[in-house]
Amino acid sequence: AQSVTQLDSHVSVSEGTPVLLRCNYSSSYSPSLFWYVQHPNKGLQLLLKYTSAATLVKGINGFEAEFKKSETSFHLTKPSAHMSDAAEYFCVVSAPSGSARQLTFGSGTQLTVLP
Amino acid sequence: KAGVTQTPRYLIKTRGQQVTLSCSPISGHRSVSWYQQTPGQGLQFLFEYFSETQRNKGNFPGRFSGRQFSNSRSEMNVSTLELGDSALYLCASRTEPGGQETQYFGPGTRLLVL
Repeated sequence: AQSVTQLDSHVSVSEGTPVLLRCNYSSSYSPSLFWYVQHPNKGLQLLLKYTSAATLVKGINGFEAEFKKSETSFHLTKPSAHMSDAAEYFCVVSAPSGSARQLTFGSGTQLTVLP
Repeated sequence: KAGVTQTPRYLIKTRGQQVTLSCSPISGHRSVSWYQQTPGQGLQFLFEYFSETQRNKGNFPGRFSGRQFSNSRSEMNVSTLELGDSALYLCASRTEPGGQETQYFGPGTRLLVL
């Protein structure tokens, strides 16, 4: 079984300040981990993914995440927030389920960027 | 390459009716998954199809069904609609169900049941 916990349902930052969105996971297998972003009335866009290579993963738009197995965490960071980063962010774990790999989504973190 | 496309983008139905949603995957992708997104339950996996066969299924009642065609396009059907079926239905495609490759999502179909 696998699960994902996003520790904050809402995060608010000022433009130009760092962003930290927290995610803890649980998986019986070596997981793949993803961060997706969803802008209003849009589908999900992949920000970055971890698949057992480098533990520090760089994604699009200046985002990065660090896989920490000992802490079962995969927190998303960005050094300097931009107004366009305001959206909902989902941490996702992928692990085997039968013959496929099933995605399990966190409950999402709504990021607000203040001017 | 064109992305995942979903039609229609918006639908309004009444309780008891049925609805069919369509998804065209990225060219070359043979696996299509469906998800339901609601404010209360978040994103939940419905099912995944590969080579016209259902490979995985989430915890939804039998009113939710799907199929996949030989060109990898997929449809999902919801019969006897209930108010709680109002949601954003997202489709995602990838090359195959196994492995660690990324799923790419379409813009979704927003269904409102009155």
